[in-house]
Amino acid sequence: AQTVTQSQPEMSVQEAETVTLSCTYDTSESDYYLFWYKQPPSRQMILVIRQEAYKQQNATENRFSVNFQKAAKSFSLKISDSQLGDAAMYFCASDAGGTSYGKLTFGQGTILTVHP
Amino acid sequence: EAGVAQSPRYKIIEKRQSVAFWCNPISGHATLYWYQQILGQGPKLLIQFQNNGVVDDSQLPKDRFSAERLKGVDSTLKIQPAKLEDSAVYLCASTGTGELFFGEGSRLTVL
Repeated sequence: AQTVTQSQPEMSVQEAETVTLSCTYDTSESDYYLFWYKQPPSRQMILVIRQEAYKQQNATENRFSVNFQKAAKSFSLKISDSQLGDAAMYFCASDAGGTSYGKLTFGQGTILTVHP
Repeated sequence: EAGVAQSPRYKIIEKRQSVAFWCNPISGHATLYWYQQILGQGPKLLIQFQNNGVVDDSQLPKDRFSAERLKGVDSTLKIQPAKLEDSAVYLCASTGTGELFFGEGSRLTVL
């Protein structure tokens, strides 16, 4: 079984500044994937970034990057140069890969507010 | 490319009534999922289909929930009879061999 914990119910950031969202997880799987999803109000969930657990290098997608600490089971998301359009609920999620790919376990979510 | 389509977007019913939600995945996506998202929580997987077969329905409350994907394309999720605690957004997602794509969800309110 997998568990994902997001300890920050809400975060806020000034436009153009940097913010980090925290996530910890627990799993008994040796091979797994970690994800950050963005869910704007009343809109569909979209993938922000994905990390394969076997890769040591942290994933990066433009202004979004992760700090993956496998031993600590930590997976934080850094958003640089924050924009108003980044305001949304952010979910950290994991799955076991293989035949379990897509069977995501989600955290509780972090609401991100971006101030102009 | 069209995304995952879901309907209805909103539904209000009274407890003990029935409701059905429909999902049309992205064309060619063999795997389809239904997730339940209760307000203030992360989504929880209900059921996974591979083509028209059920892969995992271990989290589906089978006494009141049912789902089908008869021709391996569209899927229907039904709740009968509904309870107050079923108030949630029901998300459909699909994947081919890579990224998971979600629909906008169907918001159910049970009074």
